[in-house]
Amino acid sequence: GAVVSQHPSRVICKSGTSVKIECRSLDFQATTMFWYRQFPKQSLMLMATSNEGSKATYEQGVEKDKFLINHASLTLSTLTVTSAHPEDSSFYICSARQGAGNTIYFGEGSWLTVV
Amino acid sequence: QQQVKQSPQSLIVQKGGISIINCAYENTAFDYFPWYQQFPGKGPALLIAIRPDVSEKKEGRFTISFNKSAKQFSLHIMDSQPGDSATYFCAASTGGGNKLTFGTGTQLKVEL
Repeated sequence: GAVVSQHPSRVICKSGTSVKIECRSLDFQATTMFWYRQFPKQSLMLMATSNEGSKATYEQGVEKDKFLINHASLTLSTLTVTSAHPEDSSFYICSARQGAGNTIYFGEGSWLTVV
Repeated sequence: QQQVKQSPQSLIVQKGGISIINCAYENTAFDYFPWYQQFPGKGPALLIAIRPDVSEKKEGRFTISFNKSAKQFSLHIMDSQPGDSATYFCAASTGGGNKLTFGTGTQLKVEL
């Protein structure tokens, strides 16, 4: 299947700093990417939908100024957690839609720990 | 309603047995139903998916059964193996790869 890569896989940052997570579709162009957050033993919670060349669409309750999403190219979307706090510590997962179809592939996820 | 209800929450199956996970949805606009497998600390991996125009799809040991009138779909894992031990999520979306609505997940353990 198609490959979606996330980087970094693990990151530790200090409270108050910002951290960027990258999501790349390696072998296909993705006009739409999605960002999820997952707490231990829970389901995936959609944070936002990222469309190439336009502003992201955030889900209700997600702070757009805190979770900045940029989708500058057809293969790259970034999530920047600004002014991170310990409660932002979580597993962040991106996914990308392959072409115009339904198939959505997920990245390996990024563990963020804010200390 | 955008919910997708998934059961059971956890499941223990003996090696060689059949694992069955069920999902139900309410939104009749859903037209794409994938199943994902997730190992601890990893992202979900697409297992198999179905559209509502068919009632069953089989890929290897994995089968999706779909009942449009009941708005239910299920995943069957035949000849379950210890390596199948993982969390399984059903999901649904509308029209052309829009955002997925996930079920709550089923933690499967296959014992020897």
